[in-house]
Amino acid sequence: KQEVTQIPAALSVPEGENLVLNCSFTDSAIYNLQWFRQDPGKGLTSLLLIQSSQREQTSGRLNASLDKSSGRSTLYIAASQPGDSATYLCAVSHSGNTPLVFGKGTRLSVIA
Amino acid sequence: GAVVSQHPSWVICKSGTSVKIECRSLDFQATTMFWYRQFPKQSLMLMATSNEGSKATYEQGVEKDKFLINHASLTLSTLTVTSAHPEDSSFYICSAREQGAMEKLFFGSGTQLSVL
Repeated sequence: KQEVTQIPAALSVPEGENLVLNCSFTDSAIYNLQWFRQDPGKGLTSLLLIQSSQREQTSGRLNASLDKSSGRSTLYIAASQPGDSATYLCAVSHSGNTPLVFGKGTRLSVIA
Repeated sequence: GAVVSQHPSWVICKSGTSVKIECRSLDFQATTMFWYRQFPKQSLMLMATSNEGSKATYEQGVEKDKFLINHASLTLSTLTVTSAHPEDSSFYICSAREQGAMEKLFFGSGTQLSVL
């Protein structure tokens, strides 16, 4: 059974810092991996999707990497801003038809 | 981009009543929708997978008679929490996969259910 772990569970940084969020998964036979953002009491916003054949994806200040063989992904946020404060979720799927398996998330607070 | 609309955003109900949550794909057809539940500070846990025109597939430990799922059209799936109890209080969120597109899932905004 796939298990997704995210470290740290919570992170507080001053504005402007670069930071890294970590995600690991136990079964490396994944189809793709997605990073999401969730604001309190809200739904999920997809940030980046990495196919199993890809190594990284970038969108603006966000960069996600994938090392499938070791079961790891990182989300790098450059020049953090208070508006980045949210919970960041990592999720993997095993095929195009299967649902996502989520980690518990990392709660990020960026302090002005 | 694709939009999934989920209603209501929040609902408070008395114990023993039933609550229906709707999930609509607004600009695409969704052959498959997933329903998740999220407790505070916990991850999203898959409850069931609903396929248009067929019975939903429930995850282990989820009571199908308590959480009724209907996916009667390609744009609408509903989750009905029957005879709700305080322990059913949670954040429920749906996601939809566009017909023919096997990658990204699009999520609704979630429903916060509080059972008194």
